[in-house]
Amino acid sequence: DAGVIQSPRHEVTEMGQEVTLRCKPISGHDYLFWYRQTMMRGLELLIYFNNNVPIDDSGMPEDRFSAKMPNASFSTLKIQPSEPRDSAVYFCASKGRGYGYTFGSGTRLTVV
Amino acid sequence: RKEVEQDPGPFNVPEGATVAFNCTYSNSASQSFFWYRQDCRKEPKLLMSVYSSGNEDGRFTAQLNRASQYISLLIRDSKLSDSATYLCVVNAPAGKSTFGDGTTLTVKP
Repeated sequence: DAGVIQSPRHEVTEMGQEVTLRCKPISGHDYLFWYRQTMMRGLELLIYFNNNVPIDDSGMPEDRFSAKMPNASFSTLKIQPSEPRDSAVYFCASKGRGYGYTFGSGTRLTVV
Repeated sequence: RKEVEQDPGPFNVPEGATVAFNCTYSNSASQSFFWYRQDCRKEPKLLMSVYSSGNEDGRFTAQLNRASQYISLLIRDSKLSDSATYLCVVNAPAGKSTFGDGTTLTVKP
């Protein structure tokens, strides 16, 4: 089992650019979550999907953020346009019924 | 009040010490509970689930008190490698989970 796979591992971009983060969940897991972690705010839930359907996106900071899950094996989180305050580690996690989360290694985003 | 609250610490203990963390939650409908461990610059990893009857995994013991709405994690004979941040996770119905902000533990020689 390869676990939850995220790409890229690191991303440095200029303010105003579009950023796309990618996630491949564990096969068979029916929940997928996008989290953001900073020192100041800890781990924040941005959005989660159940069976590819977005269930709760109340944590998405603003319209600059969007997430999609076109199929059970792939999800993207897009930031357009990016701002320096978006700098954080973005984690994707997946979960099967009754089990805890498995997190990906995260994408460390720096917006300069 | 936050849905899930943890004492941020830091807890600084010598090797071999016993240390305990608590985590309180506000949603009485919460259904399942977990402890995660996060090392610096790494992703959180599942440490153990927390069952109503309490459960033990080696040096680690987790307990749930539904009446008082808290969970606890006890680490016995602490090792240097136990140094990390410990996050509690509370699952509400419909799949939504809430993470605490974490408790930082440093075990010193």
